[in-house]
Amino acid sequence: GQSLEQPSEVTAVEGAIVQINCTYQTSGFYGLSWYQQHDGGAPTFLSYNGLDGLEETGRFSSFLSRSDSYGYLLLQELQMKDSASYFCAPTSNTGKLIFGQGTTLQVKP
Amino acid sequence: NAGVTQTPKFQVLKTGQSMTLQCAQDMNHEYMSWYRQDPGMGLRLIHYSVGAGITDQGEVPNGYNVSRSTTEDFPLRLLSAAPSQTSVYFCASSKASGSIDEQFFGPGTRLTVL
Repeated sequence: GQSLEQPSEVTAVEGAIVQINCTYQTSGFYGLSWYQQHDGGAPTFLSYNGLDGLEETGRFSSFLSRSDSYGYLLLQELQMKDSASYFCAPTSNTGKLIFGQGTTLQVKP
Repeated sequence: NAGVTQTPKFQVLKTGQSMTLQCAQDMNHEYMSWYRQDPGMGLRLIHYSVGAGITDQGEVPNGYNVSRSTTEDFPLRLLSAAPSQTSVYFCASSKASGSIDEQFFGPGTRLTVL
């Protein structure tokens, strides 16, 4: 079976740091991907964690703990353009990529 | 490279009509998939394919058919459209089986069924 949980909404101010959590239950788990989607646009890939620990890409970092079935996306130095929806997506040996409901991030001035 | 292309961008159908949403990629990707996204919701997997000639069902396959006769194309067929199929449809592709590779998404098809 599979389940995914993310917060539905997060609000933060420009320049701040925000963390978006994701807990999952996925059979045949490989790793955890994160995608960003702006209103009216297509999802775009942000990061992938195949191993435990932190992966950093510029202002964005992503963390995975396989033993806790938990990951998070960390956004630093928030900018207005970071207002978007963020999806975690566990990957598995079934070949399917299943997305969570998404977290809407609102960045305020 | 054009990446992943989808046609049409917008479509209005009447209940009971059938149609095919087109998806093509020019990156020689093996893995392709179709998602639908309802307002304020996440993406739900409809069907996917790990290579030409191979397709499988996702989370919400009912009412949709797919085929994968070539690596490049992965059309989605609505057999008899229903208002519940009003949604935005995204096609995606990646090099391998979707496990660790970045998924590239098309721009989406916005479908309304009256």
